[in-house]
Amino acid sequence: DIQMTQSPSSLSASVGDRVTITCRASQSISSYLNWYQQKPGKAPKLLIYAASSLQSGVPSRFSGSGSGTDFTLTISSLQPEDFATYYCQQSYSTPRTFGQGTRLEIK
Amino acid sequence: QVQLQESGPGLVKPSGTLSLTCAVSGGSISSSNWWSWIRQPPGKGLEWIGEIYHSGSTNYNPSLKSRVTISVDKSKNQFSLKLSSVTAADTAVYYCAIHLTSSSTSWFDPWGQGTLVTVSS
Repeated sequence: DIQMTQSPSSLSASVGDRVTITCRASQSISSYLNWYQQKPGKAPKLLIYAASSLQSGVPSRFSGSGSGTDFTLTISSLQPEDFATYYCQQSYSTPRTFGQGTRLEIK
Repeated sequence: QVQLQESGPGLVKPSGTLSLTCAVSGGSISSSNWWSWIRQPPGKGLEWIGEIYHSGSTNYNPSLKSRVTISVDKSKNQFSLKLSSVTAADTAVYYCAIHLTSSSTSWFDPWGQGTLVTVSS
């Protein structure tokens, strides 16, 4: 199985901050990397697919980059509704695997 | 827009079988998608369980493969999950989701709202 490791596991930030979350794969996955946002009691929501493609309807302050084993999710200017948990997921091979999550909290 | 809705018992006894159904609305289960199950233990991360194509082809997570069966019912536009020999470790919110594929890559979207299944006597 491909292991996905996110860092940090939790992060405190303020509204307006620029935030970067990192995801590392245990082997090269090309650009087969997706990012999801999950709020408490809700299902995950797709933000970014294929490492850098913004899902329709997702604000442009979200962006993704990377290829191979190292990927980043960046939020350019945090908004109150962005405080949530973020997960990366590889779509390179089965079983599909997720990172352990990064909890983004209000400072 | 396709919507998914999970249903099934919220409580299952240890050693029993967990059975859930995902109803598909706003689209056909015979479309070119894989239909997936994903779970999330309370306070923990996401685990992919497996998926099915409308033809009946399946892919399962090897960690659960011996206990999992995913099936499709085209007449009811739904697909189902059965997980046997459950223990407390199978307590989780279970989500169904569409596994969309495009140009050799894929992603999960949309997701159902999820249903909590507790394994307890």
